[in-house]
Amino acid sequence: NAGVTQTPKFQVLKTGQSMTLQCAQDMNHNSMYWYRQDPGMGLRLIYYSASEGTTDKGEVPNGYNVSRLNKREFSLRLESAAPSQTSVYFCASLGSPLGMGDTNTGELFFGEGSRLTVL
Amino acid sequence: SQKIEQNSEALNIQEGKTATLTCNYTNYSPAYLQWYRQDPGRGPVFLLLIRENEKEKRKERLKVTFDTTLKQSLFHITASQPADSATYLCALAGYALNFGKGTSLLVTP
Repeated sequence: NAGVTQTPKFQVLKTGQSMTLQCAQDMNHNSMYWYRQDPGMGLRLIYYSASEGTTDKGEVPNGYNVSRLNKREFSLRLESAAPSQTSVYFCASLGSPLGMGDTNTGELFFGEGSRLTVL
Repeated sequence: SQKIEQNSEALNIQEGKTATLTCNYTNYSPAYLQWYRQDPGRGPVFLLLIRENEKEKRKERLKVTFDTTLKQSLFHITASQPADSATYLCALAGYALNFGKGTSLLVTP
């Protein structure tokens, strides 16, 4: 059981280049998320997908696009990378509710992160 | 605007003592709050969830309190060990989980 798998783990880009971060989960979860983590800023939500076929903007969506390819996979694309997008990116999926009658109270399962540097 | 505040300064304590970390929030009415642990170079890992109608939740050496009047959660690790050294994040329920910046805990032998 691999959980949440992110690729690549490390990437260096030049300003203006594009790339896609891949994320896959094998836990049959409906909801998936992309966060970025920067020193002094904490985890900030970029985009999320409540279910297959739907995506919504989070707190910091500018400069990113996402695709929920199927229930397992949720990718994040940088069309024209900028130095401000240098960060560690985490994908996460939402587990089952932690109590009877709860909605969305599941724990988040995170991947190991993708460390992106834009020069 | 909504804010989640955790102590930005690292917390250094001696092995065996109780560590207490604070999470304060404003302009939120969360139905629940979660705590996560993050080790360097790794993704966060879920520890505990506490609901708005619960005052306290325990799991082994961990204890979390939730005071919706004070808008504060306290996270306690009793009998702390060097292996407890990590960054601890609180997260509040919204349309997605919103995270604080985390507090770094260092437990020294």
